[in-house]
Amino acid sequence: QVQLVESGGDLAKPGGSLRLSCAASGFNFRDYFMSWLRQAPGKGLEWVSSMSSSGSTIYHADSVRGRFTISRDNAKNSLYLQMDSLRADDTAVYYCARGSLHCGGDCFDSWGQGTPVTVSS
Amino acid sequence: EIVLTQSPDTLSLSPGERATLSCRASQSIFSDYLAWYQQRPGRAPRLLIYTASTRATGIPDRFSGSGSGTDFTLTISRLEPEDFAVYYCQQYSDSAPYTFGQGTKLEIK
Repeated sequence: QVQLVESGGDLAKPGGSLRLSCAASGFNFRDYFMSWLRQAPGKGLEWVSSMSSSGSTIYHADSVRGRFTISRDNAKNSLYLQMDSLRADDTAVYYCARGSLHCGGDCFDSWGQGTPVTVSS
Repeated sequence: EIVLTQSPDTLSLSPGERATLSCRASQSIFSDYLAWYQQRPGRAPRLLIYTASTRATGIPDRFSGSGSGTDFTLTISRLEPEDFAVYYCQQYSDSAPYTFGQGTKLEIK
């Protein structure tokens, strides 16, 4: 079955960096658009970044553009999010999600359990 | 950027009742590229509906989606105890940026 397991969430100081990882299994990872989304405590869902199956197309939300970088390693079935210049409002649970083939990758049919990121001094 | 507004913020119903949740877009959504998700407490979201009315794999037929243009509806025909959760709509009309509604909390009356 499809499984997505995030790791790397931690407590970081404002201005600091973290790297999140997502290990995928149970499907042909190299065929799918992959994304990161987040949810601040007690708040709704926010899309963060997406990458096409080959890595040739990348999208970032305005709120993270220039600070966060999405990448993937299809040989390792893994998705990454490099988070630099962290701010307090980046505090959230970060989810890795698979893009549904039914939506051209633009809606999300499998999600990981999430990894928490806290940005505080 | 398309803004999605869900209503109501909270809906209080009893098991067995019918639930109707609304999602309104700030501009027309191309090809009805709208999805619905369910999120139970402490859990990751689950895709329910895509392209406004198509149920995702494994979703019970008591869940149905409808609408087009700027107005969309998620209907749960007969509420089961496990349906009490938060529901989000998401548009993918513009490709990225993808946007979500603020959510509707469906609670037990």
